[in-house]
Amino acid sequence: AQSVTQPDARVTVSEGASLQLRCKYSYFGTPYLFWYVQYPRQGLQLLLKYYPGDPVVQGVNGFEAEFSKSNSSFHLRKASVHWSDWAVYFCAVSIPGTGSNRLTFGKGTKFSLIP
Amino acid sequence: DMKVTQMPRYLIKRMGENVLLECGQDMSHETMYWYRQDPGLGLQLIYISYDVDSNSEGDIPKGYRVSRKKREHFSLILDSAKTNQTSVYFCASSPRTVSYEQYFGPGTRLTVL
Repeated sequence: AQSVTQPDARVTVSEGASLQLRCKYSYFGTPYLFWYVQYPRQGLQLLLKYYPGDPVVQGVNGFEAEFSKSNSSFHLRKASVHWSDWAVYFCAVSIPGTGSNRLTFGKGTKFSLIP
Repeated sequence: DMKVTQMPRYLIKRMGENVLLECGQDMSHETMYWYRQDPGLGLQLIYISYDVDSNSEGDIPKGYRVSRKKREHFSLILDSAKTNQTSVYFCASSPRTVSYEQYFGPGTRLTVL
């Protein structure tokens, strides 16, 4: 079965610094991959998604992610973070062709800024 | 505006009481989901519904049941709630196309005393 690992439970940077949140997946083929963001006391919102094609995908609010089949990774990046990015970020994987639309989520990375 | 709603947003129950969590969506999505979220565990899938009266267990179905009698409405039922069912519950929906995107509700914070 597929799985997702987000190795960093917490990431903290200064405002204006760059951000990278790591995501590794386990699946022998090429999955569909997603990044979701959860702001305090809210549900999850889709940031971006990867379907087979261009390995770099652009999302909302300046986020992008890069798929690497050789590394089984789908890391999220942002060039310059803002206070509004303070949230929990979830990576998720879905296996195409199964017909179930199931997503398997990582445990999340809590992103915060140094005051 | 596409939307998933959940009621109630906050609920406190005593152990052994029955709990009903409600979810609605206005996008005519065929597939709906119930998850629970606990600190450090991410989201765990409880049940999937592929359409009216077409439900399947997720990864942690024990202690829960669901009901879907209309496409836009999906209920999660806890018969005789337990303290370890204290959690935040999220409903989501997705169209049965190739997009695989899921749209989430705002969550219900359930406390079982």
